[in-house]
Amino acid sequence: EDQVTQSPEALRLQEGESSSLNCSYTVSGLRGLFWYRQDPGKGPEFLFTLYSAGEEKEKERLKATLTKKESFLHITAPKPEDSATYLCAVRGNYGQNFVFGPGTRLSVLP
Amino acid sequence: DSGVTQTPKHLITATGQRVTLRCSPRSGDLSVYWYQQSLDQGLQFLIQYYNGEERAKGNILERFSAQQFPDLHSELNLSSLELGDSALYFCASSGGQGRAEAFFGQGTRLTVV
Repeated sequence: EDQVTQSPEALRLQEGESSSLNCSYTVSGLRGLFWYRQDPGKGPEFLFTLYSAGEEKEKERLKATLTKKESFLHITAPKPEDSATYLCAVRGNYGQNFVFGPGTRLSVLP
Repeated sequence: DSGVTQTPKHLITATGQRVTLRCSPRSGDLSVYWYQQSLDQGLQFLIQYYNGEERAKGNILERFSAQQFPDLHSELNLSSLELGDSALYFCASSGGQGRAEAFFGQGTRLTVV
């Protein structure tokens, strides 16, 4: 069974203080690992797809990396508007659906 | 805007009632997924349809059912509603390829009173 865990559960940063969020996964053949951002009461917003170990993707202050067992979402010099819950999901070779982790709730204080 | 449209945005109904949630996927996407998110809980997969056929089932209650129509829109039917069914219900769609990411709608907030 495909599984995803995320850490930390919650993270508080000062504006400009860089950090990383972790996503650990177990999957029988990875078809894709996905990062989403979710604001309270809203639908998850797609950020990145990573397909194979060693792959990296960047968008503004966010950079996602992938190894064979985990992915990191690096946040460089965050701003208050980066505050949200960040979700990681995987899709395996034998599963049809996207399996989501519980998310990391990020708060960036001005 | 993800291109996935869900209606209604909010729904308040009484216990024992039945409701229908509607989802229009992004243009060209053949797969539709339904997820439930209870207060401060993660996204729980309910069911997936691909081009009108059921492809995968998660922890979907027998009181819940779904279908995807020839125009690819999907409906999630929730019956004999209980207080615990109060949650955000999200629909997502993805392309035909297995590696494609899913795009989510803004959800329907269901409140059962």
